[in-house]
Amino acid sequence: QSALTQPASVSGSPGQSITISCTGSRSDVGNYNFVSWYQQHPGKAPQLMIYDGNKRPSGVSNRFSGSKSDNTASLTISGLQAEDEADYYCCSHAGGNTWVFGGGTKLTVL
Amino acid sequence: QPQLQESGPGLVKPSETLSLTCTVSRGSLRISNFRWGWIRQSPGKGLEWLGTFYYSDNTYYNPSLSGRVTISADTSKGQVSLRLTSVTAADTATYFCARQPNIFEAFDVWGQGTTVIVSS
Repeated sequence: QSALTQPASVSGSPGQSITISCTGSRSDVGNYNFVSWYQQHPGKAPQLMIYDGNKRPSGVSNRFSGSKSDNTASLTISGLQAEDEADYYCCSHAGGNTWVFGGGTKLTVL
Repeated sequence: QPQLQESGPGLVKPSETLSLTCTVSRGSLRISNFRWGWIRQSPGKGLEWLGTFYYSDNTYYNPSLSGRVTISADTSKGQVSLRLTSVTAADTATYFCARQPNIFEAFDVWGQGTTVIVSS
């Protein structure tokens, strides 16, 4: 079970849009529509932002959206705000009732 | 919305067993709509799924832990427990418990986490 691959860092200016990729394999991202995304501020627990690939939990801004193509899932944040600066992690079902996370991406709002 | 609270010793010696408890308040472990998972985060690193306890008493683990991990539940106390044997410095991390609804595949409610240091 190998960790999903995410860019170490991305950045954008307030108001812009950014996309974070999450690359797996046919054993996880490519085989299931069960990718979730988490936001984590320093010293805090992760917070669910997207589940089942493109669904938002109640209370999560519609500026956050998810998508998938083949073995790569993506999280897009539009209208960047200072409060979006955090670490972001993807997670995928990996078969056999197991899950695998990505290595995380640090988002900097310039 | 339940609250999850992890607890346990903050310091464990190498080769010993790490034992943590997650207490679920304002909710019941026996509600069949949920599963309960453990995830850890090593200092400055990413998240790692350790295992998930199912309402049916089945449990599934990360194969990379080579059978060192056990997750169990005491529904009368509203607690889910994690045991990790033969710990090394590599097991130093913040350990989180989290809820997984059966209706979708994600961890939707997390505890605040508890930090465990493995050192002699």
